[in-house]
Amino acid sequence: GAGVSQTPSNKVTEKGKYVELRCDPISGHTALYWYRQSLGQGPEFLIYFQGTGAADDSGLPNDRFFAVRPEGSVSTLKIQRTERGDSAVYLCASSSGDLYNSPLHFGNGTRLTVT
Amino acid sequence: KQEVTQIPAALSVPEGENLVLNCSFTDSAIYNLQWFRQDPGKGLTSLLLIQSSQREQTSGRLNASLDKSSGRSTLYIAASQPGDSATYLCAVRDRDDKIIFGKGTRLHILP
Repeated sequence: GAGVSQTPSNKVTEKGKYVELRCDPISGHTALYWYRQSLGQGPEFLIYFQGTGAADDSGLPNDRFFAVRPEGSVSTLKIQRTERGDSAVYLCASSSGDLYNSPLHFGNGTRLTVT
Repeated sequence: KQEVTQIPAALSVPEGENLVLNCSFTDSAIYNLQWFRQDPGKGLTSLLLIQSSQREQTSGRLNASLDKSSGRSTLYIAASQPGDSATYLCAVRDRDDKIIFGKGTRLHILP
């Protein structure tokens, strides 16, 4: 596709359940980022992939959060034992390898609601 | 630790006026700075990217400047229109390749 695709667009789950959020980046983009955004706030960095490896996962809030990108393209953000505080919009973005001149392209996000 | 601040948090101006949004960052060791627009319930749309070696970029009615040494950037919007109403976010790409965002400025153009 032409842009970054995130599925599902909305996810409602019960406290304690496991969820997976998917991101399909722009074809050929080597860098992939996950962010979390709460109402009225800017995006909060979670994790960054360069190819298949997590180059920086310092933003993951705790060990309930995990992300993979096994083939260097699609990425999945996994949240175990969800809590109400995990409710937010999860944004995915991708860019090419040019660190100086490659803009970040975002998907429309997944709105996660934990009840 | 890189921190990005945007002032003001919210701004309302009459249609047709020119306006300036501000962004500051604490660590000048960056690759680039990017301005985004976000409409309610939507993802972020890239507006302008300024490389660390550049001073400004222009696209239509938008002009972004960068003063890396002082840790500041401005987004200038000329002849504002109601369709410009949105949240504007700036983000810096630091030397660890982490992209850090400000909290944004909510802009409302009054018809």
